[in-house]
Amino acid sequence: DTGVSQDPRHKITKRGQNVTFRCDPISEHNRLYWYRQTLGQGPEFLTYFQNEAQLEKSRLLSDRFSAERPKGSFSTLEIQRTEQGDSAMYLCASSLLAGGHKFFGPGTRLTVL
Amino acid sequence: AQSVTQLGSHVSVSEGALVLLRCNYSSSVPPYLFWYVQYPNQGLQLLLKYTSAATLVKGINGFEAEFKKSETSFHLTKPSAHMSDAAEYFCAVSRRAGTALIFGKGTTLSVSS
Repeated sequence: DTGVSQDPRHKITKRGQNVTFRCDPISEHNRLYWYRQTLGQGPEFLTYFQNEAQLEKSRLLSDRFSAERPKGSFSTLEIQRTEQGDSAMYLCASSLLAGGHKFFGPGTRLTVL
Repeated sequence: AQSVTQLGSHVSVSEGALVLLRCNYSSSVPPYLFWYVQYPNQGLQLLLKYTSAATLVKGINGFEAEFKKSETSFHLTKPSAHMSDAAEYFCAVSRRAGTALIFGKGTTLSVSS
């Protein structure tokens, strides 16, 4: 069990650029979650998948954000036309369907200049 | 709708003293409640969770929390603080197992010698 991994760990980009983050969940975990955490705040839910199906999206997830989990394993989160307000830590978590115990990855820190 | 309020953004204790971190929740259904800890540059780690079994929940590292429905509270305690307990602590609620977590804003615990 290698835990949840996220790549990259840090990303610096210029406003208006597109960025993509990857999350690899724990093997056999069929639920995968994305959260965003800004300085001084708790994580905010963005979206989650059960296998390849996206079951819920937060209102925080604007049209510039898109997440996929095409084969029910890893997931990607893309942000188009980044804005300075997108600067945050993006967290991924995974869990087994019935267990509910979410294991979090170390996060990807995004800085938009 | 569910929400979580953590009273006190910063708590300071001396090593060996009682740790008390406060969490109040709002939920229209019987909640699932969680405490997570976040160490610098590390992912969120589950301390303990309440899922409608015993009201007193024991977690890792000597922490425990008591679910009090009448007070809508789920405060986290530890009898004797250790320097290694210094971290950010988050209380979270979800409406059922495996669904999105709603986090509080967090409480930073400082431990002095």
